[in-house]
Amino acid sequence: EIVLTQSPGTLSLSPGERATLSCRASQRVTSSYLAWYQQKPGQAPRLLISDAADRATGIPDRFSGSGSGTDFTLTINRLEPEDFAVYYCQQYATSPFSFGPGTKVDIK
Amino acid sequence: QVQLQESGPGLVKPAGTLSLTCDVSGYSIKSGFYWGWMRQPPGKGLEWIGSIHHSGGTYHQSSLKSRVSISMETSKNQISLELTSVTAADTATYYCGRSRFGIGLFDPWGQGILVTVSA
Repeated sequence: EIVLTQSPGTLSLSPGERATLSCRASQRVTSSYLAWYQQKPGQAPRLLISDAADRATGIPDRFSGSGSGTDFTLTINRLEPEDFAVYYCQQYATSPFSFGPGTKVDIK
Repeated sequence: QVQLQESGPGLVKPAGTLSLTCDVSGYSIKSGFYWGWMRQPPGKGLEWIGSIHHSGGTYHQSSLKSRVSISMETSKNQISLELTSVTAADTATYYCGRSRFGIGLFDPWGQGILVTVSA
């Protein structure tokens, strides 16, 4: 089973700043089948990025993903007020499909 | 545009069976894709429960495998989840979703339903 670790647990930033979120896998994620989701309070998760770097339809280009193997990064350029939320990474390469514990991006 | 809506009892007694339904609109589930269930305990992270395809293929979280049953009712365009022998640890918001690629990449998700296990 692939275990995902996310860091930091909480990221306190101001609007307009850049957020850099990390996701590390306990073993290689085949074909970079790594996704990022955004979740706001009381809402379902929303897919942002798949295949480590492909933005989902309608996702602003300030969101970008990178990485391969075991190390992946989600970058949010110029944080907007609506970007303050919890972000989860997920691997969909190998069953059981696993999520990281999440990174909360809150307002400084 | 595909939409998903979970429904079922919000309260289940310990040792009982949790039964949920996911109504799918905007897409026929027998046309393809895997469909799955996930859950999120209050204040905690996400857990994949399992996925199913209309061809009969199913995958389950290993830790839940003996208690989980996922099925499809294509005539009603519904996905169902049953979880037996529930305990307080099964209290969570349960989500259904469509896997847009393969078995476990979910987009979109339903809004979720909170199920509490309590006497």
